Amino acid sequence: GNSVTQMEGPVTLSEEAFLTINCTYTATGYPSLFWYVQYPGEGLQLLLKATKADDKGSNKGFEATYRKETTSFHLEKGSVQVSDSAVYFCALSASYSGGGADGLTFGKGTHLIIQP
Amino acid sequence: NAGVTQTPKFRILKIGQSMTLQCTQDMNHNYMYWYRQDPGMGLKLIYYSVGAGITDKGEVPNGYNVSRSTTEDFPLRLELAAPSQTSVYFCASRDTGTVNIQYFGAGTRLSVL
Repeated sequence: GNSVTQMEGPVTLSEEAFLTINCTYTATGYPSLFWYVQYPGEGLQLLLKATKADDKGSNKGFEATYRKETTSFHLEKGSVQVSDSAVYFCALSASYSGGGADGLTFGKGTHLIIQP
Repeated sequence: NAGVTQTPKFRILKIGQSMTLQCTQDMNHNYMYWYRQDPGMGLKLIYYSVGAGITDKGEVPNGYNVSRSTTEDFPLRLELAAPSQTSVYFCASRDTGTVNIQYFGAGTRLSVL
């Protein structure tokens, strides 16, 4: 079946540090890949997405590149801020773009803590 | 913009009690989903619906029921609450014919004691 594995947290960084959160996946076919962010007490919000190999998703200074050869979708940011403190989830959708009602398959989440 | 609205935000149940978690969306999305999030785990799909009158089981449906009488509403029913159902429950919706981008509610935190 489909699965997503992401690095365990918590990850603690100082403000302005470089961030990488690793994510690898197992899926048949051509999944779409997502990063969601969950701020304390809130629901999940889409951070960025990629729908095919070599696509780069980006938003709010975060980036992730869909690497089919390594089945990875690592999240990166060049300079983190205290306001980036949250839980980050890597997820995949097995249905091809536009088709299917399948749910998302999520990783366990990585708690990111940014210290001033 | 209301988006996906869930009520209640918090609830404590005794073992064997029943309750309904409410979810409504105002985006006219056909697809709706219920997930549960256990501590330190990713979200698991409980049930989903592709439109009014049509529902189907997800990965962890046991102990839950759903109905979809309108496009807007997708309530989740717990008939005989058990401690294993202590979790945070999220409702989500998405549009059809697009990449599977789901919009989530703020969640319901449920404790069964």
